[in-house]
Amino acid sequence: GAVVSQHPSRVICKSGTSVKIECRSLDFQATTMFWYRQFPKQSLMLMATSNEGSKATYEQGVEKDKFLINHASLTLSTLTVTSAHPEDSSFYICSAEGGLAGGTYEQYFGPGTRLTVT
Amino acid sequence: SQQGEEDPQALSIQEGENATMNCSYKTSINNLQWYRQNSGRGLVHLILIRSNEREKHSGRLRVTLDTSKKSSSLLITASRAADTASYFCATARDQKVTFGTGTKLQVIP
Repeated sequence: GAVVSQHPSRVICKSGTSVKIECRSLDFQATTMFWYRQFPKQSLMLMATSNEGSKATYEQGVEKDKFLINHASLTLSTLTVTSAHPEDSSFYICSAEGGLAGGTYEQYFGPGTRLTVT
Repeated sequence: SQQGEEDPQALSIQEGENATMNCSYKTSINNLQWYRQNSGRGLVHLILIRSNEREKHSGRLRVTLDTSKKSSSLLITASRAADTASYFCATARDQKVTFGTGTKLQVIP
């Protein structure tokens, strides 16, 4: 259980275009999903927290108009990179928060999407 | 700023040896997790240790947590070439998960 998928796994786009990345929790409902970005040879940095049915909360330094997040259902969150530039090339990873017995919550990570902007 | 700092940044050992990686953090946590990432690939969850636990085992992995020192260690015993990867600690506090800087492990066959 607790599987999170991302689509696509890899995408190449031209500078100026927009790209949508999907994150799905396959076997559980996730009221909260998170989006991370990882540049080469660096650690993961949280970009935003996405709650179902409400606006995402962005971390400092992350442009909300550039990285559009939509969490329309309990199993799907999307990240759209608008007007992509080469510096947006990165590995984008989502995670979904699921409840466990005992009232605790844990995050489950997707496999990541590698975005290359040419 | 990033919560977790890991050391060493890079570690190279011979197959069969043990590998120890350390993670230090700054504030109180709910739990701490260790992940593995092969080059250019996604994260693989290894083990989670809660703040009220001191040690956990999973196969060849042993994780310790010292909340008084705000530190954790990951020990991989009898390493294999296939263990070559980057290893990250991630601390969770409330809903927020913050990743450490990572340790790049190379196991030489």
